[in-house]
Amino acid sequence: KAGVTQTPRYLIKTRGQQVTLSCSPISGHRSVSWYQQTPGQGLQFLFEYFSETQRNKGNFPGRFSGRQFSNSRSEMNVSTLELGDSALYLCASSFDAQGDTDTQYFGPGTRLTVL
Amino acid sequence: SQKIEQNSEALNIQEGKTATLTCNYTNYSPAYLQWYRQDPGRGPVFLLLIRENEKEKRKERLKVTFDTTLKQSLFHITASQPADSATYLCAFNQAGTALIFGKGTTLSVSS
Repeated sequence: KAGVTQTPRYLIKTRGQQVTLSCSPISGHRSVSWYQQTPGQGLQFLFEYFSETQRNKGNFPGRFSGRQFSNSRSEMNVSTLELGDSALYLCASSFDAQGDTDTQYFGPGTRLTVL
Repeated sequence: SQKIEQNSEALNIQEGKTATLTCNYTNYSPAYLQWYRQDPGRGPVFLLLIRENEKEKRKERLKVTFDTTLKQSLFHITASQPADSATYLCAFNQAGTALIFGKGTTLSVSS
């Protein structure tokens, strides 16, 4: 089974621009989560989507948004980029069997650099 | 708010020894804890999950313990090898909430 894929793998933007990152989950997985990883803060949860609906949201400003499509693929968008948005953005999918625990399967990440 | 801490940022050990990593949590009673491994430039990979009613879980050379009284999980790698060098992350949540990750412990195993 193919793993989680993320595109693009690397991205360089300038302050004030916006960016869209894409994630394709493992086939059959219904939940997609996004994380931001920086050396200082570690892995921080951005949001989770399930059946095209945002189910959980982390403590990030409204400049960070996302969506999920009917085929479970997901995108996240960051508007008005700031230098501090430079990070590795990770997408993770899970099957989300109701009433049970769910392990996360991570993609390779998108390395975003804001200049 | 709930908090998860991994006590050591870095741990250096010699090949063949047992590595022990610590994860502590506060202001929360997680239903389960997960441990992940992350190599540089790659996404984390799931290793083990332990539930609150389980004291210990094993997988090959890996062992995880969960002490709800101490609010702590220990992650052990026995007979460590240089290939075990990586960053190890613990994470917890309850069903229906997002996973909260610790900042990780970077393990270096020297031959």
